[in-house]
Amino acid sequence: EAGVVQSPRYKIIEKKQPVAFWCNPISGHNTLYWYRQNLGQGPELLIRYENEEAVDDSQLPKDRFSAERLKGVDSTLKIQPAELGDSAVYLCASSLGSTSGRAYNEQFFGPGTRLTVL
Amino acid sequence: DQQVKQNSPSLSVQEGRISILNCDYTNSMFDYFLWYKKYPAEGPTFLISISSIKDKNEDGRFTVFLNKSAKHLSLHIVPSQPGDSAVYFCAADGTSYGKLTFGQGTILTVHP
Repeated sequence: EAGVVQSPRYKIIEKKQPVAFWCNPISGHNTLYWYRQNLGQGPELLIRYENEEAVDDSQLPKDRFSAERLKGVDSTLKIQPAELGDSAVYLCASSLGSTSGRAYNEQFFGPGTRLTVL
Repeated sequence: DQQVKQNSPSLSVQEGRISILNCDYTNSMFDYFLWYKKYPAEGPTFLISISSIKDKNEDGRFTVFLNKSAKHLSLHIVPSQPGDSAVYFCAADGTSYGKLTFGQGTILTVHP
């Protein structure tokens, strides 16, 4: 079974430029998460989707970050414009829906996109 | 406000010995805890979990202990193997379903 797929794996951009990250979750996983991991820290949740609906985006900096999950499968996270402080690894994860009990907590992570803003 | 803390940035252990990784939390609403392992250039992978109704959960060489009164959990790996060398994150859930709060991670190195 294929895992969570993310692209690109690495991205280097100048500050003020836009950037987008793509995620394809595990087939059948209704819940999708975007995390940001700063160096030396654990992942921090940015947004969580249940199917197409963003059910928790309280940690997403909405002035420059946006996300979408069309048709409840693939998702895109965008930053526009990027700032130096956005340099981090952006992780996508997926899990079974919340109706699956606590099993939904077992989130499966992709390899991440390492973003460097110069 | 770090609600989940892993106070040891790194741990070095001899192959065959026990590795003990520790994690403390402050939010009493957390009721489900997980450990993830992360290799370089890969995403974290789920290792083991425990519900707050239990104080121990075992899976092969991995055992997680939960002390609710102390708001402390630990992961024991016995015996440790060089392939266990990775970054270990503890995570907690309970404040909002699906919203895991992660610790900073502990780098485990198992020497042959």
